[in-house]
Amino acid sequence: GQNIDQPTEMTATEGAIVQINCTYQTSGFNGLFWYQQHAGEAPTFLSYNVLDGLEEKGRFSSFLSRSKGYSYLLLKELQMKDSASYLCAVRDYNQGGKLIFGQGTELSVKP
Amino acid sequence: ETGVTQTPRHLVMGMTNKKSLKCEQHLGHNAMYWYKQSAKKPLELMFVYSLEERVENNSVPSRFSPECPNSSHLFLHLHTLQPEDSALYLCASSQDWDRDSYNEQFFGPGTRLTVL
Repeated sequence: GQNIDQPTEMTATEGAIVQINCTYQTSGFNGLFWYQQHAGEAPTFLSYNVLDGLEEKGRFSSFLSRSKGYSYLLLKELQMKDSASYLCAVRDYNQGGKLIFGQGTELSVKP
Repeated sequence: ETGVTQTPRHLVMGMTNKKSLKCEQHLGHNAMYWYKQSAKKPLELMFVYSLEERVENNSVPSRFSPECPNSSHLFLHLHTLQPEDSALYLCASSQDWDRDSYNEQFFGPGTRLTVL
């Protein structure tokens, strides 16, 4: 089966850097997605990793290690608007195009 | 309208009611999804349609009945629901249902359903 773990809640300070971790176990890894979801809104795509390494996109970066079953989302220069839930999702080759989601990490950015 | 839209945004219904949720995507995608999002729980995939054919059915109770009349529209028909079915129901679409492609999913804003 699949198992995806991420911390339930995190708190950080405006202007700081925060790292949100995600560990996964799948039988046929085929890509990892990070989504951002503000309260009452749709999840929106942040990043995609399928090969090992770091993908950088502005203030957000995502890292993947397939051998360790591990990813992190790095948010730099935190802003109040970054307060949201961050969802890690993995695609399993043995399950077609299906995404398996973690429970999400609720990030609170404080002034 | 752009992206993925859902109506209604909020719905309150009794256990004996029948209602339907509607999703429409304006992206020209071939795959559409229904997810259930409950507090403190992962997104649960309920149904997947690819080119108007159901390709995934994750052991969802029969009181939830999906319908995909064309590649742009997806419905979720609800009847005799239980209070534990109260949740946010999200619709999503992607270019294809294809395990070999990048295939980002685009989500709608969801319908907040409360069953009394």
